[in-house]
Amino acid sequence: DVKVTQSSRYLVKRTGEKVFLECVQDMDHENMFWYRQDPGLGLRLIYFSYDVKMKEKGDIPEGYSVSREKKERFSLILESASTNQTSMYLCASSLQAPNQPQHFGDGTRLSIL
Amino acid sequence: AQTVTQSQPEMSVQEAETVTLSCTYDTSESDYYLFWYKQPPSRQMILVIRQEAYKQQNATENRFSVNFQKAAKSFSLKISDSQLGDAAMYFCAYTLAGNQFYFGTGTSLTVIP
Repeated sequence: DVKVTQSSRYLVKRTGEKVFLECVQDMDHENMFWYRQDPGLGLRLIYFSYDVKMKEKGDIPEGYSVSREKKERFSLILESASTNQTSMYLCASSLQAPNQPQHFGDGTRLSIL
Repeated sequence: AQTVTQSQPEMSVQEAETVTLSCTYDTSESDYYLFWYKQPPSRQMILVIRQEAYKQQNATENRFSVNFQKAAKSFSLKISDSQLGDAAMYFCAYTLAGNQFYFGTGTSLTVIP
């Protein structure tokens, strides 16, 4: 089974802090994704990566950056956390083929105070 | 951008009965892929069923089946013999090439014993 592991299930940070969310997958997937999930808005793509050191902006990249130095690891960075970034963050990975589904981590519930 | 619409924020079904969740999408492409994902409360999102647009036959996975109407751009999920474990948030998703997925806003399904 594919395992996508997010480093924290719950995280509380303060406004202005730099926040790192880590995601690791164990199935050699080329694609990795970061989503934000908010009630009534579904999942919105922040960034995705189709290869090491490659990244593409999604629908809501403002205030976020990403890093993919190794194939199995995809990090989401909140440069200067703000209260409107309080949300559930989901990481996913998939093979680089259109009929392949995404595999998700458990999610990180991030609160910015 | 592609859009995926789930018009039913909440649905309920009696245990052992059948329920249908609706999903419509907007695309000008002819080849694409559709997915239904299930997110149980506080648990990981998992794939329920997938459909390739070039296939006319509706996908089926045990008690889960889809009604894919390509001309109408409709992709509904039917759950037969509903069980308590089916209670979850269900998301419909579209992808053209497997690098960007577009999700609906979700339908929260309650199963009544």
